[in-house]
Amino acid sequence: DAGVTQSPTHLIKTRGQQVTLRCSPISGHKSVSWYQQVLGQGPQFIFQYYEKEERGRGNFPDRFSARQFPNYSSELNVNALLLGDSALYLCASSTGTGPFYEQYFGPGTRLTVT
Amino acid sequence: GESVGLHLPTLSVQEGDNSIINCAYSNSASDYFIWYKQESGKGPQFIIDIRSNMDKRQGQRVTVLLNKTVKHLSLQIAATQPGDSAVYFCADTPWGGATNKLIFGTGTLLAVQP
Repeated sequence: DAGVTQSPTHLIKTRGQQVTLRCSPISGHKSVSWYQQVLGQGPQFIFQYYEKEERGRGNFPDRFSARQFPNYSSELNVNALLLGDSALYLCASSTGTGPFYEQYFGPGTRLTVT
Repeated sequence: GESVGLHLPTLSVQEGDNSIINCAYSNSASDYFIWYKQESGKGPQFIIDIRSNMDKRQGQRVTVLLNKTVKHLSLQIAATQPGDSAVYFCADTPWGGATNKLIFGTGTLLAVQP
């Protein structure tokens, strides 16, 4: 079975631009979470969606938004990019929502803002 | 605020030796702890988990120990192999949450010397 897939793999944007990152969860998984991982640090929680509803939001500005589609895939949008948004963006999927559901991570999208 | 941190940023061991990676957490209400392994260019991979009502759990070559009194978590890897070289993160989920939110530590780089 295919794991979590993310696209694109790498992306270079300029300050002030907007970016959309995509995630396809493992088949049968209804929850998708997004994390930002700055180089040398652990991932930071951005959003979780379950059954197309937002279930959790981390401490990120309103420039960050996300949505989940009927097929459970998800998009993360970041507006007005800043240099500090340069990071690896990880998507994780799980079958349910709650602390004991194992999450499976994708390989990430490496975003570089210049 | 809530945080999960690590004592040692880098751990270098000889192949065949046992490795111990430590982690301190600050939220006494944490209910569930997970260790992840992240290889270069990949997303975090689940290794082993432990619930707050346990103090030890064993997997294949790995053991996680939880000391709630001092809020300390450790990962023991037996007979460390070159393939174990990676960054290891501990993560925690706050008790009572209905989300999949994980709070990650900074990470420890494990370098296995042949």
